[in-house]
Amino acid sequence: EAQVTQNPRYLITVTGKKLTVTCSQNMNHEYMSWYRQDPGLGLRQIYYSMNVEVTDKGDVPEGYKVSRKEKRNFPLILESPSPNQTSLYFCASSGDGIAYSFFGQGTRLTVV
Amino acid sequence: GQQLNQSPQSMFIQEGEDVSMNCTSSSIFNTWLWYKQDPGEGPVLLIALYKAGELTSNGRLTAQFGTTRKDSFLNISASIPSDVGIYFCAGLGSMGAGGTSYGKLTFGQGTILTVHP
Repeated sequence: EAQVTQNPRYLITVTGKKLTVTCSQNMNHEYMSWYRQDPGLGLRQIYYSMNVEVTDKGDVPEGYKVSRKEKRNFPLILESPSPNQTSLYFCASSGDGIAYSFFGQGTRLTVV
Repeated sequence: GQQLNQSPQSMFIQEGEDVSMNCTSSSIFNTWLWYKQDPGEGPVLLIALYKAGELTSNGRLTAQFGTTRKDSFLNISASIPSDVGIYFCAGLGSMGAGGTSYGKLTFGQGTILTVHP
């Protein structure tokens, strides 16, 4: 089954403790991206990747890092999480960059 | 960052009514997309529009890519209870002074749709 898988689904952590949210797709898609969703703000793109080792900033990249060492994986790294990064995070993929048609189930992160 | 202005923010309608929502932007996009999100789920792509002026239908849904490439609308005809959810517009591949940012996706704030049986 074609899918985008995020882990973990839920995470509570403390300020400053580094964490990684994983994202994996099984469709051999070139494009992958990360979003955060906050009430009243919709979804905002954090980073996107056009292929292995090729990444670029979205609208809200501050405080986040990404890497794309393999085509199927696109982890989101928070080196020093802060409470304002408490949010619902989604990973998505696209085979041609024309439309992100596959979204993961989301990761709800709480930073205390 | 860029913003898309989506309206209305929420709608309360009776089953069977038609619904219309729209998005405007100060930026030009290569592609306009419309998504629906159910509670606890990721967004699901409903319609993708690739050319200015394009009108596309998907069942009871119809969407158009504005001729200026800066706006789009979505219509839902004869609404049913399962249409309830949040609808998002999104612009892909914004065109600016530095060229086109393929892969960059900007969302509107969403329209919350409630359908009363």
